[in-house]
Amino acid sequence: QVQLVQSGAEVRKPGSSVKVSCKASGGTFSSYAINWVRQAPGQGLEWMGGIIPIFGTANYAQKFQDKVTITADESTSTVYVEVSSLKSDDTAVYYCARALRSGYRSSFTPFHFWGQGTLVTVSS
Amino acid sequence: DIQLTQSPSFLSASVGDRVTITCRASQGVSNFLAWYQQKPRKAPKLLIYAASTLQSGVPSRFSGSGSGTEFTLTISSLQPEDFASYYCQQLNSYPLTFGGGTTVEIK
Repeated sequence: QVQLVQSGAEVRKPGSSVKVSCKASGGTFSSYAINWVRQAPGQGLEWMGGIIPIFGTANYAQKFQDKVTITADESTSTVYVEVSSLKSDDTAVYYCARALRSGYRSSFTPFHFWGQGTLVTVSS
Repeated sequence: DIQLTQSPSFLSASVGDRVTITCRASQGVSNFLAWYQQKPRKAPKLLIYAASTLQSGVPSRFSGSGSGTEFTLTISSLQPEDFASYYCQQLNSYPLTFGGGTTVEIK
């Protein structure tokens, strides 16, 4: 069974950055898209971007294009999201989620397996 | 960007009720639409994909329909464990977007 285990909660000051990890186990890693979704307190779900590790290139929502970097390390089956220039409205739970299907169209398949979420709090 | 508008945003229902949630897309997404259920402090769970395909293990009281710009999620007989928030998501084009969510609460 596929499991995604995320790194622990983080507290950061405004203007700093944070890097959250998502380690996959069970199943094939490299050919499935891993996406990052965030959820601000009491709010809905927001797709930030995703990556198919075997291809290496990430795709981002325009809003996050210059703010977020998604990378993958195939040797450890881990995907990372780094969020820079943090502001208070970046306070949210950040989820990673693996796609249902593999291959070059993986990015356009639903999010089947989810990590447990990582709370990032931005506060001075 | 494709906007997804869910309605209602909140509904109050009783156990055994039939519940329908609508998701409207600002432009056509064919059948590249999924539905998720989220309970408080938990990650979302995939219920339905390709507009009407039930994900393995999901109870048959959940069903989805629609194509193009209008979609529905129906729960045929609401159970206590179904009280949660529900989100639609389009997977037709970047950026992948979610609807604003529908919270189903106990009447």
